[in-house]
Amino acid sequence: KQEVTQIPAALSVPEGENLVLNCSFTDSAIYNLQWFRQDPGKGLTSLLLIQSSQREQTSGRLNASLDKSSGRSTLYIAASQPGDSATYLCAVTRDQTGANNLFFGTGTRLTVIP
Amino acid sequence: DAGVIQSPRHEVTEMGQEVTLRCKPISGHNSLFWYRQTMMRGLELLIYFNNNVPIDDSGMPEDRFSAKMPNASFSTLKIQPSEPRDSAVYFCASTLLRVYSGELFFGEGSRLTVL
Repeated sequence: KQEVTQIPAALSVPEGENLVLNCSFTDSAIYNLQWFRQDPGKGLTSLLLIQSSQREQTSGRLNASLDKSSGRSTLYIAASQPGDSATYLCAVTRDQTGANNLFFGTGTRLTVIP
Repeated sequence: DAGVIQSPRHEVTEMGQEVTLRCKPISGHNSLFWYRQTMMRGLELLIYFNNNVPIDDSGMPEDRFSAKMPNASFSTLKIQPSEPRDSAVYFCASTLLRVYSGELFFGEGSRLTVL
């Protein structure tokens, strides 16, 4: 069974700092990888989706990379802001047949200190 | 669009009581998912529907859990009888599933506490 790990579980950084969140998965046979954001008491919001054939995706200050062969992905946040404080989860999909194959990591709780 | 709507947002009940959680997916979406989130186990897929038909319920923990989707705009997750270990946040999500694009839209969750 696919296992998705995110380290660290929690991270605090001062405002303005660039930071990297890590995600690793045990089975490299994935269809795609997603990064989600979850605010306290809220649902998940999709941030970036990387197909297995891609190496990276960018959206604003966010850049996600994927190294499928080594089972790793990183989410880079540039010039962090207090509004970036949230829990970030990565999830991998095994194939294209549907989200029943979506495996979530346990998340990294990010706090950006003003 | 109002997004995925879940109710109730919070539910506190006593062990043995029946709990019904409700979800309205985004209009036009054809797939609906129920997830459970706990600190210990993270996010777990319980069941998902495609075109109102349950496709995979292997994540449903036991017979006390049941889910229905009588039409494209409504789904329920029922727990009967409830137990303290069922305490969690239950999320509903929906998407337009043709070839899976990954754009899952989540509701804000129903926080269940079973005393």
